[in-house]
Amino acid sequence: AQRVTQPEKLLSVFKGAPVELKCNYSYSGSPELFWYVQYSRQRLQLLLRHISRESIKGFTADLNKGETSFHLKKPFAQEEDSAMYYCALQSGGSYIPTFGRGTSLIVHP
Amino acid sequence: GAVVSQHPSWVICKSGTSVKIECRSLDFQATTMFWYRQFPKQSLMLMATSNEGSKATYEQGVEKDKFLINHASLTLSTLTVTSAHPEDSSFYICSARGGAIQETQYFGPGTRLLVL
Repeated sequence: AQRVTQPEKLLSVFKGAPVELKCNYSYSGSPELFWYVQYSRQRLQLLLRHISRESIKGFTADLNKGETSFHLKKPFAQEEDSAMYYCALQSGGSYIPTFGRGTSLIVHP
Repeated sequence: GAVVSQHPSWVICKSGTSVKIECRSLDFQATTMFWYRQFPKQSLMLMATSNEGSKATYEQGVEKDKFLINHASLTLSTLTVTSAHPEDSSFYICSARGGAIQETQYFGPGTRLLVL
């Protein structure tokens, strides 16, 4: 069975500080991993996916198969980054995602 | 970009009544639509997956007679909460897969249901 763990329910940082939202997964095959973000009063939207290897809004995430992790990082947090962040996994060949419980990021001025 | 709409955005109903929620993909054909339930400050719980023209696949623990899903076209899926009770009060979110990036889901804004 596949599983996604986001150990932190809440992460609070000051503006300009580095931020890392943790995501660990369990899956025996080759996973596809995503980070979704939900800003206040907005719908859930895709932030980035590991196969794209891109940086979106200054965020990056590297898939570490050895540690089965896909942590989301940003070197300098901004107030507008405050949101709920969900890590999600899709197993190869399946379009059904498994979401983590989410981490609420609060960036203080 | 791909847009998914939901209607209504919120609904209040009496216990025992049925409520229908619509999910539409506005500018793309959705091969698959998903229905989620989200409790306050908790993650999304996948309720069911539906493909156009076929029966929905429900997740374990989700009553298919309680939550009727119809996916009549490539742009419309409906979720009907039958004989709603207060414990059905929740935030229901649909998502659709399709469009330019096949593996990506596009989420609707959600529907808040309050059953009195």
